[in-house]
Amino acid sequence: AQSVSQHNHHVILSEAASLELGCNYSYGGTVNLFWYVQYPGQHLQLLLKYFSGDPLVKGIKGFEAEFIKSKFSFNLRKPSVQWSDTAEYFCAVSPTYNTDKLIFGTGTRLQVFP
Amino acid sequence: EAEVAQSPRYKITEKSQAVAFWCDPISGHATLYWYRQILGQGPELLVQFQDESVVDDSQLPKDRFSAERLKGVDSTLKIQPAELGDSAMYLCASSLDVGGMDEQYFGPGTRLTVT
Repeated sequence: AQSVSQHNHHVILSEAASLELGCNYSYGGTVNLFWYVQYPGQHLQLLLKYFSGDPLVKGIKGFEAEFIKSKFSFNLRKPSVQWSDTAEYFCAVSPTYNTDKLIFGTGTRLQVFP
Repeated sequence: EAEVAQSPRYKITEKSQAVAFWCDPISGHATLYWYRQILGQGPELLVQFQDESVVDDSQLPKDRFSAERLKGVDSTLKIQPAELGDSAMYLCASSLDVGGMDEQYFGPGTRLTVT
């Protein structure tokens, strides 16, 4: 069965610090990969996605993620966080044979202090 | 900007009672999803519709949960009878078409508390 692991459950950073949130998945076939974000009081929304091609994906608000196939990882990065990045971040995968079926990780809560 | 609408936003019910949630997807979106998100976990797909047809309900506890999308537009998710373990956030999402290439847009969710 497919699964997604996000080992960082709660991350606390100061503004301007660099961010890296881990995401590992377990699946024997090819996958599509996603990061979703939920800002306080807002809907879950797509941050970035990887389907194929360049394994370094750039998303909104300065976020990027790198797909490392050999490590089954899709870590999210941002060089300098802002207070407004405070949110919960979810990694998700879907098998390429059933691209609608998103399997989410448990999420990482990020708090950024001024 | 078009959004997925859900109601109610909050629902408190006693166990063994029936409860229903409503979702109105973004206009023109053929695919509709219902997810359940238990506190501290990520969303889990319960059911997926393509227009009025169920595409995937493999994770839907069919002994107590039902979902319908009669005219292929809005949708209702029902739980009868509710159990304590059903306390969770119920999220609705929609996308333009099947295939997963289109972004899923999520609604604000309905937070259910079963007492």
